[in-house]
Amino acid sequence: GDSVTQMEGPVTLSEEAFLTINCTYTATGYPSLFWYVQYPGEGLQLLLKATKADDKGSNKGFEATYRKETTSFHLEKGSVQVSDSAVYFCALKKSQAGTALIFGKGTTLSVSS
Amino acid sequence: DAGVIQSPRHEVTEMGQEVTLRCKPISGHDYLFWYRQTMMRGLELLIYFNNNVPIDDSGMPEDRFSAKMPNASFSTLKIQPSEPRDSAVYFCASITAGGLYNEQFFGPGTRLTVL
Repeated sequence: GDSVTQMEGPVTLSEEAFLTINCTYTATGYPSLFWYVQYPGEGLQLLLKATKADDKGSNKGFEATYRKETTSFHLEKGSVQVSDSAVYFCALKKSQAGTALIFGKGTTLSVSS
Repeated sequence: DAGVIQSPRHEVTEMGQEVTLRCKPISGHDYLFWYRQTMMRGLELLIYFNNNVPIDDSGMPEDRFSAKMPNASFSTLKIQPSEPRDSAVYFCASITAGGLYNEQFFGPGTRLTVL
């Protein structure tokens, strides 16, 4: 079945460090790919998305490129801030409208000043 | 827009009691999803509705769980009887079918603790 695999956390970085969170997926067809972020005590918020191969999603300094050849959607940020501390979820969605998201297990990021 | 609204935000109950979680989706959204989040299993889809009709309930763990959507603006997830292993954060999310790649909007979640 379809699935998403994320790197195990927690990831601990100093402010201004470079961030990479790896995400790979298994799916038939051409899914859309998403990164969601969950701040402490809150629900999930969409961070960025990509809907086809080679698309790059970006938001708030975060980027991820949809790589069909490696079935990956790694999240990167050049310089993290303390406020980026959160749990990050990679997810996929089949192309049909209204189908549910399939999530990875989440990666906790902790950034210290 | 107020976003997806869930209540209560926190619920503590004793084993064997009935628990009802509530969700109000964003107005105009056609789909409503219930997810459960635990440390062990991460985020799991429990059930989802389209136009108030349950479409896929294969993620509902067992008969103790039931969900209803009596109208477009309200859904409930009920656990009866509750067990300690049901302790988790339960999220509701909604989406409009207007675009294939639209964002699912999540509520803040209900943190359930069953003692």
